[in-house]
Amino acid sequence: RKEVEQDPGPFNVPEGATVAFNCTYSNSASQSFFWYRQDCRKEPKLLMSVYSSGNEDGRFTAQLNRASQYISLLIRDSKLSDSATYLCVVTRILNSGYSTLTFGKGTMLLVSP
Amino acid sequence: GAVVSQHPSRVICKSGTSVKIECRSLDFQATTMFWYRQFPKQSLMLMATSNEGSKATYEQGVEKDKFLINHASLTLSTLTVTSAHPEDSSFYICSARQGLANEKLFFGSGTQLSVL
Repeated sequence: RKEVEQDPGPFNVPEGATVAFNCTYSNSASQSFFWYRQDCRKEPKLLMSVYSSGNEDGRFTAQLNRASQYISLLIRDSKLSDSATYLCVVTRILNSGYSTLTFGKGTMLLVSP
Repeated sequence: GAVVSQHPSRVICKSGTSVKIECRSLDFQATTMFWYRQFPKQSLMLMATSNEGSKATYEQGVEKDKFLINHASLTLSTLTVTSAHPEDSSFYICSARQGLANEKLFFGSGTQLSVL
């Protein structure tokens, strides 16, 4: 099983729709979780961190379910500008003190007029 | 916020030439830098991790003699694609991290390499 898995999509939704993505991780020792957004031929940009209690930033809500080992991202009232690839990132601290970051392959979202 | 500058943004070169890509952290000391490659419509692939002052750790399947990484200072890492071939054409991105256990990544803007 891959360490971090995402449905590659694409998810095609109309403007104004609500869309949700999930990301599963295999290592129960994973400690921190993030969603990044990547536009075509651009670098990934941090969208939001994900906390166990869930967190919201405007139209974006992120949730973490440690028992089932997945994180989710919910986008409400989709805008055309939300079209991008959303990357799930999972980190854990090694015995050496270094942290490892593992990227999922990304889920592509296409919002149409 | 922290800034990582990557240069050049685009390179077109002939097959057989070597290409150097620079990644600089402008306002922080990058203990660790990561180099990624991304082919069209594919995900980011980690190529190597480089810690300042030590040899880079390469991911499985990445040739260390072909992709030379130097991280001689806390603010600069370079990736040299030696004897580039058309199959090396890709989008290369660096990212930097401050501190060994710091989980926040700062990305360069990427370099599009096209080998003719």
